[in-house]
Amino acid sequence: GDSVTQMEGPVTLSEEAFLTINCTYTATGYPSLFWYVQYPGEGLQLLLKATKADDKGSNKGFEATYRKETTSFHLEKGSVQVSDSAVYFCALGGNEKLTFGTGTRLTIIP
Amino acid sequence: NAGVMQNPRHLVRRRGQEARLRCSPMKGHSHVYWYRQLPEEGLKFMVYLQKENIIDESGMPKERFSAEFPKEGPSILRIQQVVRGDSAAYFCASSLGTGGTEAFFGQGTRLTVV
Repeated sequence: GDSVTQMEGPVTLSEEAFLTINCTYTATGYPSLFWYVQYPGEGLQLLLKATKADDKGSNKGFEATYRKETTSFHLEKGSVQVSDSAVYFCALGGNEKLTFGTGTRLTIIP
Repeated sequence: NAGVMQNPRHLVRRRGQEARLRCSPMKGHSHVYWYRQLPEEGLKFMVYLQKENIIDESGMPKERFSAEFPKEGPSILRIQQVVRGDSAAYFCASSLGTGGTEAFFGQGTRLTVV
């Protein structure tokens, strides 16, 4: 079945550092790929998405490229801010349900 | 256009009581998903429903848990005879279509069993 493997956390970075959170997937067919973000005490919000190979999703300075050859969808940001502290979930949307990774807790220190 | 509405936001139940969690999807959405999040853990899929049908309940515990999404009204996740291990945040999401379509999440219901 479909599965998502996400970089384990927690991740702690200094402000303005470069961020990468790795995500790889296993799926049949041609799924859509998503990154969701969860701020403390809240539900998940869509951060970005890509629907086909080589698509790049971007939002709020975050980017991720759908790489079919490596079955990956790594999240990157060039310069993180304290306000980026949250839990990040990689997700795969196949024919039916969304399948999530376990989440990566990111803490940015000033 | 209101987002996904879940209520209550916080629910406290004694062991052995029933918990009912409600989810009103976004307007026009006919696909509803329920997920459970244990403290400091990721999201675990529980059940996927369309109007009046359970499509995938592979993540639902075999006993005490049930879900419905009637033709009219919100989706309900019911937990009978709650135990302490049921304490978690329960999130509902809705979408226009199947898994390849963006899902919108509610704020969650935080269930505490005392």
